[in-house]
Amino acid sequence: QQQVKQSPQSLIVQKGGISIINCAYENTAFDYFPWYQQFPGKGPALLIAIRPDVSEKKEGRFTISFNKSAKQFSLHIMDSQPGDSATYFCAASMRGGADGLTFGKGTHLIIQP
Amino acid sequence: GAGVSQSPSNKVTEKGKDVELRCDPISGHTALYWYRQSLGQGLEFLIYFQGNSAPDKSGLPSDRFSAERTGGSVSTLTIQRTQQEDSAVYLCASSARGAVSYNEQFFGPGTRLTVL
Repeated sequence: QQQVKQSPQSLIVQKGGISIINCAYENTAFDYFPWYQQFPGKGPALLIAIRPDVSEKKEGRFTISFNKSAKQFSLHIMDSQPGDSATYFCAASMRGGADGLTFGKGTHLIIQP
Repeated sequence: GAGVSQSPSNKVTEKGKDVELRCDPISGHTALYWYRQSLGQGLEFLIYFQGNSAPDKSGLPSDRFSAERTGGSVSTLTIQRTQQEDSAVYLCASSARGAVSYNEQFFGPGTRLTVL
């Protein structure tokens, strides 16, 4: 059973555009929702994370939107840059992230110059 | 360095052999996690350790997989009688488990395991 579903699998965006990646979860016990960025040959790095008591969190060009009733959350990358080209993973966890993370399948993002 | 380190970076082994993968967490981090990343299954949680508590082994795929953490620091993931389907990148992460903030997990670069 895939507890976190991520889409799209791949995404091509023009430089300066908005990249949007979506995730949906099933387990209502999840209470921590991070997004990770991964470059080839590197481990995932935390980009931004949100708790279910807020509907939006913004850090620089990155924004998480969270819809608790729909059990969905999304990552928006504003003014996308070629350096943002990477694989992005959404994840979810219980106990504030203390438990192991359940990851989505990943989105391969390419920003065209 | 200040980050999570893993060794070896690459490991090639023959089917049926045992392998040991090592993780050095960030100094002072009390929680340590192992994950597996493969093309077919994506990123999967395997096991985590928190202080002196019994580890959460709920993600281990079979009894051929085991892990230990000595002295609350370094961890070793052992895979016995390796199979070709064990080929993957094995990632380690650590977390400070702070009381104030949510528990960001910092990942190492991984060990790429190839089973021939």
